[in-house]
Amino acid sequence: EVQLVQSGAEVKKPGESLKISCKTSGYSFTNYWIGWVRQMPGKGLEWMGIIYPGDSETKYSPSFHGQVTISADKSINTAYLQWNSLKASDTAIYYCARHPILGGYYYYYIDVWGKGTAVTVSS
Amino acid sequence: DFVMTQSPDSLAVSLGERATINCKSSQSVFSSSNNKNYLAWYQQKPGQPPKLLISWASTRESGVPDRFSGGGSGTDFTLTISSLQAEDVAVYYCQQFYTTPPTTFGGGTKVEIK
Repeated sequence: EVQLVQSGAEVKKPGESLKISCKTSGYSFTNYWIGWVRQMPGKGLEWMGIIYPGDSETKYSPSFHGQVTISADKSINTAYLQWNSLKASDTAIYYCARHPILGGYYYYYIDVWGKGTAVTVSS
Repeated sequence: DFVMTQSPDSLAVSLGERATINCKSSQSVFSSSNNKNYLAWYQQKPGQPPKLLISWASTRESGVPDRFSGGGSGTDFTLTISSLQAEDVAVYYCQQFYTTPPTTFGGGTKVEIK
């Protein structure tokens, strides 16, 4: 069974750094794009970016490029989302999300979701 | 940039009745190379992550009840719940994956029981 297990809720102050994780199992981690989706309180879904753990290639939404860093550690099948300096507007639930391969081609809909990590940034 | 517009924002339907959600893309998501529409639908129940219901505009995922169906092509798409059940109360999102980055979601449609 494919599983994406995310790290627990975080409460941080503005200006602090944070790295949340998504530990995967049940599939070949290095062969699928995996990324992050933001959901601000009471709002819709925003695709942030993805990483291909096989070679660490990343693709970011222009809205999030330079604001966060997506990384992966293929030795422990885990993807990460990192902030250097949090803002109150980063308060949201962040979902880890896998993108499928079909017939050897990569597609960018999401076939498996993590349960989400709630991040609260408040002074 | 692709903009995905869903309508209505919310919808109240009686149990057993039909619910129809619309999704319009600012550009075509149809690929003539494989004759497919790069459009997916997700269901998000309260307090849960989204769940993939339909890919390629009309292909139901394994285990999704057949009362859910997707249709449309090019820029205009629909998600239909043929006979609304209590467990279908959720927010539904469409997503285009024709271009990445980024892929874009619609704003969501909340389905409730009348």
